[in-house]
Amino acid sequence: GNSVTQMEGPVTLSEEAFLTINCTYTATGYPSLFWYVQYPGEGLQLLLKATKADDKGSNKGFEATYRKETTSFHLEKGSVQVSDSAVYFCALSDLSAGGTSYGKLTFGQGTILTVHP
Amino acid sequence: EAGVAQSPRYKIIEKRQSVAFWCNPISGHATLYWYQQILGQGPKLLIQFQNNGVVDDSQLPKDRFSAERLKGVDSTLKIQPAKLEDSAVYLCASGTSGGRGQYFGPGTRLTVT
Repeated sequence: GNSVTQMEGPVTLSEEAFLTINCTYTATGYPSLFWYVQYPGEGLQLLLKATKADDKGSNKGFEATYRKETTSFHLEKGSVQVSDSAVYFCALSDLSAGGTSYGKLTFGQGTILTVHP
Repeated sequence: EAGVAQSPRYKIIEKRQSVAFWCNPISGHATLYWYQQILGQGPKLLIQFQNNGVVDDSQLPKDRFSAERLKGVDSTLKIQPAKLEDSAVYLCASGTSGGRGQYFGPGTRLTVT
């Protein structure tokens, strides 16, 4: 079955530090890949996505590249801010079942990021 | 564009009681999902609707959980009777087919005592 594995957290950084959160996946077909973010007290928000190999998703200074050869979708940001403190979820959507899965998401366990001034 | 609406935001009940959650998806989104998010874990799909038909309910504990989506728009998720392990945030999401991602509501935080 499909699965997503994220790096263990929590991650604590100083402001302006470089961020990497690792994500690897297992899927039977050709999944789309996503990063969702959950700020304290808020719901899940789509941060970025990539729908095919070598695509790069980007938003708010965050980037992730779909690497089919390593089955990875690592999240990066060059300079984090205190406002980036949140829980980050990697997820995949697998349409291999003849297009009938209708975008069901499989999530990783989440990585807590705390950024200090 | 209005987002996914959910109510109530918080609910506290005793075990063996029943509870219902409501969700109104983004207008025009044919697909609706209910997820359960236990503290410290990623969301887990409970049930998925395409219009008013069930696409996937393989992870739904059908002895106590039920869901419906009348007229292919809003949806209700019910738990009867509740157990302590049902304490979680229940998330509703909607989207279009094609794996373009889903849009989540704020969730309902359920505490079972």
